[in-house]
Amino acid sequence: AQSVAQPEDQVNVAEGNPLTVKCTYSVSGNPYLFWYVQYPNRGLQFLLKYITGDNLVKGSYGFEAEFNKSQTSFHLKKPSALVSDSALYFCAVSAPFSGGYNKLIFGAGTRLAVHP
Amino acid sequence: DAGVTQSPTHLIKTRGQQVTLRCSPKSGHDTVSWYQQALGQGPQFIFQYYEEEERQRGNFPDRFSGHQFPNYSSELNVNALLLGDSALYLCASSYGAGPQETQYFGPGTRLLVL
Repeated sequence: AQSVAQPEDQVNVAEGNPLTVKCTYSVSGNPYLFWYVQYPNRGLQFLLKYITGDNLVKGSYGFEAEFNKSQTSFHLKKPSALVSDSALYFCAVSAPFSGGYNKLIFGAGTRLAVHP
Repeated sequence: DAGVTQSPTHLIKTRGQQVTLRCSPKSGHDTVSWYQQALGQGPQFIFQYYEEEERQRGNFPDRFSGHQFPNYSSELNVNALLLGDSALYLCASSYGAGPQETQYFGPGTRLLVL
């Protein structure tokens, strides 16, 4: 069965420093992987996804994610954090069902706190 | 271009009551998925609707039911509410299948059951 783990409940980083939010996954077959961000009292906003090809995926707001098949990881990164990046981040894996359609399986989320 | 919209934004119900939540998909999308996000947890898949039929269902009881209309909008109904049904209910819309599919989420409806 597909699953996602986000090993850190919270990540603290100073503004201007690089940030990494970790995600590992367990899937059968080739994974489709996603990162979403959730601001307080808001829904989920799509950041980026990995389908195939280049292991470094670029997304919205300067975020990128690195896919590592051997380590079954899909870590979210940003070279220089902003205070406005403070939010709840969710990693998700697409779990296909018949017909090629998908449901998303989410990790528990990691709260990112960027300090001035 | 409007994104995914949901109504109402907040709702308070008592145990045993019934509730209906509504979702309008992003323009051009024909598939609607519903998720439940309990406090401090990641969203969990409830079910997905396409062409007015339930295409797949997650591990939720039959008290949770849905409907999709010809204009692709959708409703989530929950009967006999329990305290544990208190959560943020998220609707996501998408188009296509496989790698082309990306689900875009609405702002959610926060349900409190007293």
